Amino acid sequence: GAGVSQSPSNKVTEKGKDVELRCDPISGHTALYWYRQSLGQGLEFLIYFQGNSAPDKSGLPSDRFSAERTGGSVSTLTIQRTQQEDSAVYLCASSALPSTGGYTFGSGTRLTVV
Amino acid sequence: GENVEQHPSTLSVQEGDSAVIKCTYSDSASNYFPWYKQELGKGPQLIIDIRSNVGEKKDQRIAVTLNKTAKHFSLHITETQPEDSAVYFCAANLNSGYSTLTFGKGTMLLVSP
Repeated sequence: GAGVSQSPSNKVTEKGKDVELRCDPISGHTALYWYRQSLGQGLEFLIYFQGNSAPDKSGLPSDRFSAERTGGSVSTLTIQRTQQEDSAVYLCASSALPSTGGYTFGSGTRLTVV
Repeated sequence: GENVEQHPSTLSVQEGDSAVIKCTYSDSASNYFPWYKQELGKGPQLIIDIRSNVGEKKDQRIAVTLNKTAKHFSLHITETQPEDSAVYFCAANLNSGYSTLTFGKGTMLLVSP
């Protein structure tokens, strides 16, 4: 597609439920990143994919968080047993090759845990 | 790992004035420094970037300067307009050859007509 697409745009879930967030990167972009943005805060790195593998997942805050990427394209971020502190905007970005430059971000998924 | 500090956190200017946002980084191996603009309800958008082999880059009303020795870089916006109002983020790559970016905490720029 023309840009990075994320779905859903908004998600409200009850504490303790599992959620899945989807990212569809720009076609041909091999690198994919997930970041988290809490209210009024900067962007917190979660995980980086190169193709289908994740050479850096050091930012995942706990074992409740996991992510996968299939076919070198779509990625899913899963949060199990959601907690209120998981409430944030989850941003996905992609780039053509590692180290070549800037990311293209999606518009994000706003997750609210009630 | 890399640490990026950004100042100020908020900046208010009158239309037509210049705005300057400053960032410092910790990893001397970092070699790529982009700036992003985020409007309300949208994802960050790349507006300009600079690599460590140059000291300054301009694109119309925006410019970025880099001082590798001091490990700081700055965004300069001239002749500001109300549509420049947004949150601006600086970033630096983790280390040379690795693409993960570390971001500053952002600067909210408000341009008053």
